[in-house]
Amino acid sequence: AQSVAQPEDQVNVAEGNPLTVKCTYSVSGNPYLFWYVQYPNRGLQFLLKYITGDNLVKGSYGFEAEFNKSQTSFHLKKPSALVSDSALYFCAVRDTIGAGSYQLTFGKGTKLSVIP
Amino acid sequence: DGGITQSPKYLFRKEGQNVTLSCEQNLNHDAMYWYRQDPGQGLRLIYYSQIVNDFQKGDIAEGYSVSREKKESFPLTVTSAQKNPTAFYLCASSFPSGLSYNEQFFGPGTRLTVL
Repeated sequence: AQSVAQPEDQVNVAEGNPLTVKCTYSVSGNPYLFWYVQYPNRGLQFLLKYITGDNLVKGSYGFEAEFNKSQTSFHLKKPSALVSDSALYFCAVRDTIGAGSYQLTFGKGTKLSVIP
Repeated sequence: DGGITQSPKYLFRKEGQNVTLSCEQNLNHDAMYWYRQDPGQGLRLIYYSQIVNDFQKGDIAEGYSVSREKKESFPLTVTSAQKNPTAFYLCASSFPSGLSYNEQFFGPGTRLTVL
């Protein structure tokens, strides 16, 4: 079975400081990993994904994520936070084998607040 | 949200009523999905469809039904058997479903409230 955990319900960071939103996962095979962002009362927007290859993945709006197989983590990062980055962030995983390969499993979300 | 439309944006249901949520996509995606979002619980999969005239239950299918008669459309019916239907419902699509590294694209959502 596949699962994903976002250990922090909320992250607060000052504008201009670097931000990190944490994600860990569990799969039977290899993982496909995704990050999405959600603004209030809106659908989810895709930010970036890891399939294979370089462990550092670059995505939309200056975000990047680092895949760490030994720690089973896929943390989202940005060098300098903007107030407009304040939103709800979801990590998601898909297994490459088994019944879970047709489903995307989401974490519970982390609310990011960037303080001016 | 581009390419996937959901209607209505807000929906109010009386107890005992069935209601249908609309989802349409013009992205030519094979696969479509319905999720339910509750505060603090993330997204949970209700149903998904990989091709027309075929669909599978997700993790929380009880009290819901779907159809997939056209590639572009995947309506969700919330039946009176769903005991706690108040939630935010999200439709998504991806292309093609067999390549599981493709990201899903989401609609803007429908907020259903039971009165």
